[in-house]
Amino acid sequence: GESVGLHLPTLSVQEGDNSIINCAYSNSASDYFIWYKQESGKGPQFIIDIRSNMDKRQGQRVTVLLNKTVKHLSLQIAATQPGDSAVYFCAETSGNTGKLIFGQGTTLQVKP
Amino acid sequence: NAGVMQNPRHLVRRRGQEARLRCSPMKGHSHVYWYRQLPEEGLKFMVYLQKENIIDESGMPKERFSAEFPKEGPSILRIQQVVRGDSAAYFCASCGLAGSQETQYFGPGTRLLVL
Repeated sequence: GESVGLHLPTLSVQEGDNSIINCAYSNSASDYFIWYKQESGKGPQFIIDIRSNMDKRQGQRVTVLLNKTVKHLSLQIAATQPGDSAVYFCAETSGNTGKLIFGQGTTLQVKP
Repeated sequence: NAGVMQNPRHLVRRRGQEARLRCSPMKGHSHVYWYRQLPEEGLKFMVYLQKENIIDESGMPKERFSAEFPKEGPSILRIQQVVRGDSAAYFCASCGLAGSQETQYFGPGTRLLVL
């Protein structure tokens, strides 16, 4: 069946270091992927997305990499800040209705 | 520029009562998705609606749960005869276009606690 999963449940980094959060997906037909950030008590916040015809996309301090060969997605955060502490979810769209399939989430802890 | 709005933010119900969760999409958005998040888990799709139509309800439990998105007013997720297992955070998201490559923007969620 379809599933999106994350390799590590918790990632702890030092402030100022770069963070890499990984995600594996199983549906090779998925064509749109999104990273969301969720802070405690809040809804998911859009960070960055990528379509399947791309390998890399950059935003402000964030980069998403897509490797379709091994069905792997990663989120890189440069110069991680305390405000980046949150749970990060990858998600893929399934079918033509656009419903999202989410992974379990990776908790990012930033140490000052 | 209001985002997706949900109310109430917190809802406490006793077993057997009804819960009604409301979602107002972003201005200009006519597509609404509902997701449920259990503690320490990711979000799970429940239902996708457009104005006056249910498009995909493959994630909805067969009994007690229903959703609507009327021509006027917010989308409503209704849970009848709630049980403790319904305790969760319920999020709605909206987008402006149909299809799989449209970013969904989420509301703050409604946290339902069933006593």
